[in-house]
Amino acid sequence: QKEVEQNSGPLSVPEGAIASLNCTYSDRGSQSFFWYRQYSGKSPELIMFIYSNGDKEDGRFTAQLNKASQYVSLLIRDSQPSDSATYLCAVRVASYDKVIFGPGTSLSVIP
Amino acid sequence: DTEVTQTPKHLVMGMTNKKSLKCEQHMGHRAMYWYKQKAKKPPELMFVYSYEKLSINESVPSRFSPECPNSSLLNLHLHALQPEDSALYLCASSAITSTGSGYTFGSGTRLTVV
Repeated sequence: QKEVEQNSGPLSVPEGAIASLNCTYSDRGSQSFFWYRQYSGKSPELIMFIYSNGDKEDGRFTAQLNKASQYVSLLIRDSQPSDSATYLCAVRVASYDKVIFGPGTSLSVIP
Repeated sequence: DTEVTQTPKHLVMGMTNKKSLKCEQHMGHRAMYWYKQKAKKPPELMFVYSYEKLSINESVPSRFSPECPNSSLLNLHLHALQPEDSALYLCASSAITSTGSGYTFGSGTRLTVV
């Protein structure tokens, strides 16, 4: 069983729309969850970090965590073409104190 | 200084060569990491150093040898690599906290083994 799963996409949304990215994880003991953005040929960049159930907002980004369902999501409001990238969900696996990345979701924002 | 600096940015090496990748950070982070990333795949953890001690080795072949000389530096020594080892090698660092904290990644070393 894969530890962190994401829809691989590609996910295409029109400019100005809300992009919704989803992630599920298998380790119930996981405490910390991260979203990274990675442009083609570049290294990952941290955009959100969440560890409490509920929503966390930062500008156009909202991360949502539901530990009971082992689900974390990222909403991007007012999507821009510059948001086109691969979004990596990462989970801190409690039992091993390490961070595991999901396979990533490719997002394309169409002007 | 909020950067992780990796050198070199590109490296081509033969299967009999010995080379080293270098990583440096001055953010006071006490955890440092090496990840390997193949095209269109997520980063894959190789090694974790906590307080300059190796804490995790993800069963990486011995032709990869990490070293942490001090709290700011992390090296990855390469010897007798195979063509399938060609990838982007990413260094990252983070603070050590009870809830975990996000990584800061370097720009990576793109390695080609010929």
